[in-house]
Amino acid sequence: NAGVTQTPKFQVLKTGQSMTLQCAQDMNHEYMSWYRQDPGMGLRLIHYSVGAGITDQGEVPNGYNVSRSTTEDFPLRLLSAAPSQTSVYFCASSYSAGPTYFGPGTRLTVT
Amino acid sequence: AQTVTQSQPEMSVQEAETVTLSCTYDTSENNYYLFWYKQPPSRQMILVIRQEAYKQQNATENRFSVNFQKAAKSFSLKISDSQLGDTAMYFCAFITSGTYKYIFGTGTRLKVLA
Repeated sequence: NAGVTQTPKFQVLKTGQSMTLQCAQDMNHEYMSWYRQDPGMGLRLIHYSVGAGITDQGEVPNGYNVSRSTTEDFPLRLLSAAPSQTSVYFCASSYSAGPTYFGPGTRLTVT
Repeated sequence: AQTVTQSQPEMSVQEAETVTLSCTYDTSENNYYLFWYKQPPSRQMILVIRQEAYKQQNATENRFSVNFQKAAKSFSLKISDSQLGDTAMYFCAFITSGTYKYIFGTGTRLKVLA
């Protein structure tokens, strides 16, 4: 198993640009989520999904969209990047009552 | 609101010694899970240890153990025989049973000194 994979590992955007952070897992986990990690803070939940076709907002959803068309993939879209979205982004997946697996993270810089 | 507090931003310990990282949390739920995650410079989040709130026995994983005080809402991590590879950020985290939504503390940066 590859576990949870994220692409890209690094990205630099200009203010106003859009992009999609990719996340995939091959463990057939029903639950997937996106977190952001800022300096001096723990990870904060952006959006999550409890299965294909089902998504919901977390603690800091503004400026981000998600969709879950398959069990394996859970992309995170930034429609109009802002400097406040400069952060490290983690995707995670798990199954019911099981451990959570985190991806390696994407470092995003918005200038 | 549910919160997780780690009051020690940074700590250091000599190699082979023991160190304890503190964590307190606040929740009105009765069924939940507590975790300690390690984040080395590689950024990868690595699960260190997990505790189910309904279990009174403290969880242990090799050199890592917890002191879970449910009434006090305290969940500290003890690292015995510290090794240089233990140098990392350590995050305490909490999940209400059935929600899958983590709430993380702000982390403790641990440095193990040779």
